[in-house]
Amino acid sequence: GEDVEQSLFLSVREGDSSVINCTYTDSSSTYLYWYKQEPGAGLQLLTYIFSNMDMKQDQRLTVLLNKKDKHLSLRIADTQTGDSAIYFCAERYNQGGKLIFGQGTELSVKP
Amino acid sequence: DTGVSQNPRHKITKRGQNVTFRCDPISEHNRLYWYRQTLGQGPEFLTYFQNEAQLEKSRLLSDRFSAERPKGSFSTLEIQRTEQGDSAMYLCASSVGTGGQETQYFGPGTRLLVL
Repeated sequence: GEDVEQSLFLSVREGDSSVINCTYTDSSSTYLYWYKQEPGAGLQLLTYIFSNMDMKQDQRLTVLLNKKDKHLSLRIADTQTGDSAIYFCAERYNQGGKLIFGQGTELSVKP
Repeated sequence: DTGVSQNPRHKITKRGQNVTFRCDPISEHNRLYWYRQTLGQGPEFLTYFQNEAQLEKSRLLSDRFSAERPKGSFSTLEIQRTEQGDSAMYLCASSVGTGGQETQYFGPGTRLLVL
């Protein structure tokens, strides 16, 4: 089946690290994505990871993938107030390439 | 490259009216996707095109919804006899390539309110 789950809210202090978690059910997913959505805006692709990788780092972003547990996380180092947004985890369904999104995690960064 | 554009950005309509939205993908992107996003939820897949061919439609896409991409460039999404439950943000994304080379770029969306 197709299902992606995320916790709904996360609040951190500026300068701390943020960790946003996601679980998925489709074991055949080949790519997993993190998108960011700011109020009134479309989705911005942050990063993605291929299912044969355990970790991917891109500047302040670190993605960890535990394929056995179907668990994905996004770590944002040195979180800034500009990082406040909703973060969506998505898995790419093998057939056709559509994305299955989680319900989003609202990240609030307090100064 | 100007990115994916969608028009209109906002639409208010009365129940029972028809509405049409337009999406202009990034040029040379051969795949185009439509998603719907309701408040507090992630986007849900509706349908997608490869060039002008509509290859998949979600069960969410009732008979009142129709999408076209006549020349393999821009796409339109029409909703006939709108219902209040159709109120949502309609997102369009385009991509090129397949597998790991495919990245979907999203437009700003069209927000529909059905009164």
